[in-house]
Order: sequence, then structure tokens, then C-alpha cells
Amino acid sequence: GESVGLHLPTLSVQEGDNSIINCAYSNSASDYFIWYKQESGKGPQFIIDIRSNMDKRQGQRVTVLLNKTVKHLSLQIAATQPGDSAVYFCAETDNYGQNFVFGPGTRLSVLP
Amino acid sequence: DTEVTQTPKHLVMGMTNKKSLKCEQHMGHRAMYWYKQKAKKPPELMFVYSYEKLSINESVPSRFSPECPNSSLLNLHLHALQPEDSALYLCASSQDLRAGELFFGEGSRLTVL
Repeated sequence: GESVGLHLPTLSVQEGDNSIINCAYSNSASDYFIWYKQESGKGPQFIIDIRSNMDKRQGQRVTVLLNKTVKHLSLQIAATQPGDSAVYFCAETDNYGQNFVFGPGTRLSVLP
Repeated sequence: DTEVTQTPKHLVMGMTNKKSLKCEQHMGHRAMYWYKQKAKKPPELMFVYSYEKLSINESVPSRFSPECPNSSLLNLHLHALQPEDSALYLCASSQDLRAGELFFGEGSRLTVL
């Protein structure tokens, strides 16, 4: 299952600020999560992943937090840049890579 | 640059046409996927191939017919499509079914008239 919305949520942030994008999931058996970035006219691009035995993972300018108790995933982007403008999807699977289910997505707009 | 290549990038077809979408990867991945993405929606899984065998068919109508000729190639044959099938069709691959990260191509944008 996944958190489904009727509209694509939008987050607007000032350039240089930090961004936090949230994702709720409903399958308590999900054990592997990925954040993807999708720019207009392109395919989804891997950002960062996390397995269920972890609650935090850091990459370059990005951090993923996993709260299994409330089935919540977040992506933090530090010092947001114009190139970060895109739609961000969380994806979950309960079988370590088979049958990924994508969340509804969040559009991030970076204001100059 | 993506290492999953999809052709054509754009396709317009009538409801009586037969066409194919093609996907190629040379990363040695053994799992390949077709996803369908409508505007402002997340990708939805259609098919999964593992070691050239169909592993998952998410109840996709038979007018979509996947084919995996070898470990590097994945095709999606289209026949008698409906206008509501217009979408972005994304191909992805992963090292194995349980190896995690999906690598996506840029997609083939299909318009059915």
C-alpha cells in the first residue's frame, strides 16, 4: 500500500535553505526504501536508499530518516540549490527490490 | 547520463497500430522492469523480468506484451491500444531482483490517438 493523494504536493523553498520532503507508507512489511528525483522529461534518478534496520543514512547534502513506528520516511536536502527543483518520489518494497511501490511524489520548487 | 537506453523517445500511434518500445542496458543487470507513468502520478509497475523470465505481471491488459530476448534487452509490444494508455513508459534494471536500486531510462512517451 501507499499514501495516496489527489494532487501533487508542492514544497517551495528559498535557495540555500534546507528542504524536508516527507513520505508516509502503509505497508508495515516494507523493509527497503529509496528516494528518487525526477526532473521534467526524464526518468527517475536514484538519490539515496535505506534499509529497515537503519533509521538514518547520509549522503552528499542529503539525509534520509526512517521512522518505522509511524511508517514515515523523510528526505532532507541541505543548502537547496536551483538544480534540486524536481519531483521527488519515495519508493518502498517488502522484498528487498522486487515490486517497488512509489509514493505520490512531492514537487520541490527552489526560489531564487 | 542514464545507462538504460529506451527507444523511441516519443511514439504516436493509432488504436489499430502495432508498435514496440525497446530498452537496453549493458550493466550486466539480471532484472528488468516496465513501469507506466501518467502525468503528475508516480510510476506504476507493469512487468518484471528476472534472468530473462517473466517474474511479475501486475494484471496488465494483454494489449501490452513484454518480451525479453536476452539479458540486455527488454521490449514492450503494443497492439490495439486505447487513448487512456497514453503515458510515459519507463524501463528500469537492477543487478538482481533483491539487489536494491532501480536504474531508470529516460522513458518513451506514448500517445495513442
